Amino acid sequence: KQEVTQIPAALSVPEGENLVLNCSFTDSAIYNLQWFRQDPGKGLTSLLLIQSSQREQTSGRLNASLDKSSGRSTLYIAASQPGDSATYLCAVSGYSTLTFGKGTMLLVSP
Amino acid sequence: ETGVTQTPRHLVMGMTNKKSLKCEQHLGHNAMYWYKQSAKKPLELMFVYNFKEQTENNSVPSRFSPECPNSSHLFLHLHTLQPEDSALYLCASSSTVGLAGEETQYFGPGTRLLVL
Repeated sequence: KQEVTQIPAALSVPEGENLVLNCSFTDSAIYNLQWFRQDPGKGLTSLLLIQSSQREQTSGRLNASLDKSSGRSTLYIAASQPGDSATYLCAVSGYSTLTFGKGTMLLVSP
Repeated sequence: ETGVTQTPRHLVMGMTNKKSLKCEQHLGHNAMYWYKQSAKKPLELMFVYNFKEQTENNSVPSRFSPECPNSSHLFLHLHTLQPEDSALYLCASSSTVGLAGEETQYFGPGTRLLVL
């Protein structure tokens, strides 16, 4: 059974810092890995999707990497802003299901 | 907005009540999903529907009864729930059930359920 672990569970940083969120998964037989953002009281928004054959994806200040053989992914956020405060969820896909981690709660203070 | 709406956004119910959660997607997708998000636990997949047919039931208790009358609408009927069923219930949709390649799911805002 696939298990996804995210470290740290919570992170608080001052504005402007670069930061890294970590995700690990137990079964490397995945189709893709996604990073989602969840704001309080709202649903999930997909940030980046890395296909199993890819090593990284970039969108603006976000960069996600994937090392499928070691079962790891990182989400790098450059020059963090207060608007980045949210919970970040990592999910890996089987054929028809997404398995999620518990998330990292990020707080960026002005 | 992701194109997936859920109603109600908040619901309080007693253990003997019967209520229903509604999800509607405006994306022309064929697959719809129900997830449960409890405090301090990962999102748990509950049900998957593809072209109105249920393709997965993730060992969900029978007090949760899904209904998918068409590809745009998904319901979750609730009856005789327990306090531990209190959670955020999220609906999602995708163009197909298969998640290979760049396929992703689009999530609604969720219904926050409190069972007293």
